[in-house]
Amino acid sequence: DAGVIQSPRHEVTEMGQEVTLRCKPISGHNSLFWYRQTMMRGLELLIYFNNNVPIDDSGMPEDRFSAKMPNASFSTLKIQPSEPRDSAVYFCASSLGGAQSYGYTFGSGTRLTVV
Amino acid sequence: KNEVEQSPQNLTAQEGEFITINCSYSVGISALHWLQQHPGGGIVSLFMLSSGKKKHGRLIATINIQEKHSSLHITASHPRDSAVYICAALSNTGNQFYFGTGTSLTVIP
Repeated sequence: DAGVIQSPRHEVTEMGQEVTLRCKPISGHNSLFWYRQTMMRGLELLIYFNNNVPIDDSGMPEDRFSAKMPNASFSTLKIQPSEPRDSAVYFCASSLGGAQSYGYTFGSGTRLTVV
Repeated sequence: KNEVEQSPQNLTAQEGEFITINCSYSVGISALHWLQQHPGGGIVSLFMLSSGKKKHGRLIATINIQEKHSSLHITASHPRDSAVYICAALSNTGNQFYFGTGTSLTVIP
């Protein structure tokens, strides 16, 4: 298996632009998690899906952030409009059976820079 | 106050030394993850614990639910163990992760 695949690896965009981050979970995994990592705040869970349904989005910072999982093999995290404080590394992870399961696997991350 | 506290924040060791990283938490949890993040940025889940002890190669993780404390041990440390180790506690509801700030480990040859 290729693991959790995220794209793009790096994204530089201007303030105010829409940004879409993509994630393909491991085939067969039914839980997907989006995280953000910054120097100031460390790792934060933004949202997680179970069987394509958002279970907890309390970590989503504000309405500019939205996440979708239209099917079991694809998820997007969208920021519209983007702001410089959104600059961070965004990780996607997937697992079989939720956050308490084994086989919890992270993608390589997308480094977002908003200028 | 953070729900999860890790110590030490930074650790430098000589190759071969036994290393311990500690994690204390103040919330009720259902499980605790130890994560490893290498300088390149990738994150790997090392262990998921809900009780007792687990071992994988030179890595050992323990958890004491009553004392709300977990430790990650590395035996016979090696320079390739150099990374940031992050403790992540999963709430009782299973919906909320509380992350430690990480321990930056450098193992010198």
